[in-house]
Amino acid sequence: EPEVTQTPSHQVTQMGQEVILRCVPISNHLYFYWYRQILGQKVEFLVSFYNNEISEKSEIFDDQFSVERPDGSNFTLKIRSTKLEDSAMYFCASSEMLPLAGAYFGAGTRLSVL
Amino acid sequence: DQQVKQNSPSLSVQEGRISILNCDYTNSMFDYFLWYKKYPAEGPTFLISISSIKDKNEDGRFTVFLNKSAKHLSLHIVPSQPGDSAVYFCAAWDNQGGKLIFGQGTELSVKP
Repeated sequence: EPEVTQTPSHQVTQMGQEVILRCVPISNHLYFYWYRQILGQKVEFLVSFYNNEISEKSEIFDDQFSVERPDGSNFTLKIRSTKLEDSAMYFCASSEMLPLAGAYFGAGTRLSVL
Repeated sequence: DQQVKQNSPSLSVQEGRISILNCDYTNSMFDYFLWYKKYPAEGPTFLISISSIKDKNEDGRFTVFLNKSAKHLSLHIVPSQPGDSAVYFCAAWDNQGGKLIFGQGTELSVKP
C-alpha cells in the first residue's frame, strides 16, 4: 500500500524560530496539500500545490508560510517565524488527480512552539 | 464560516448495532463528498466517497447516503465493531478552490 511519509513526527521549537516540515508524497501523485489540526479542533486546509505552484491557499497561510517541492520527491512546509498558535498537527496529503479515490494523508508532524 | 458541519462531536454505539454519522453542508456547488477515519497519532484515512449524481454508495459494512435537497449526508456502519472506534470526518471537495473542506469530526466509540 503506497503511503505519504512525514518527518519529523514531532518538532519542538522556540517561538520566533524557523521550522521546515517534510513530506514525501506518493510518487505518481500530482496534487499536494498541507492541512493542520489544532488540538481539539477540526482539520483545516492550509495550501494546495499543483504543477510546481500554489493553486489555492487559506487565510491561515500568510507570509510566514511557504511551500516548496525542491527535488521532485519532497514537499516541504516552512514556517519562517513560529508563533505559539502555530502549535498543531500538520498533515501532508497527496492525490493522483481530483480526489476521486480520496487524498492520501501522512501520519502528521506534531509541532510544539514554546 | 463552516461550510461542512458535523453537529455531533461524539457517538457511542454497542457492538453489532448500526452507527449513523451525520454531516451537513451549505454550498450547493459541492458535488463530491468523502468520509475519512482517523485514529489517534495517525493521519486521516480515506473510507468511502459519493458523487452528487448518486444518492447511495456502499462498500462492505459502510454505506454513505446523500440527500442533495437537504444538503445532508450520512455514513452508516453495519454492524459496528470495536475497531471502528475512531474520529470520522466528513469532507466536501471544493472544485473551485481545489481542496477538501472538512467537518469538525465525530468521535465514534463502539463498545463490546
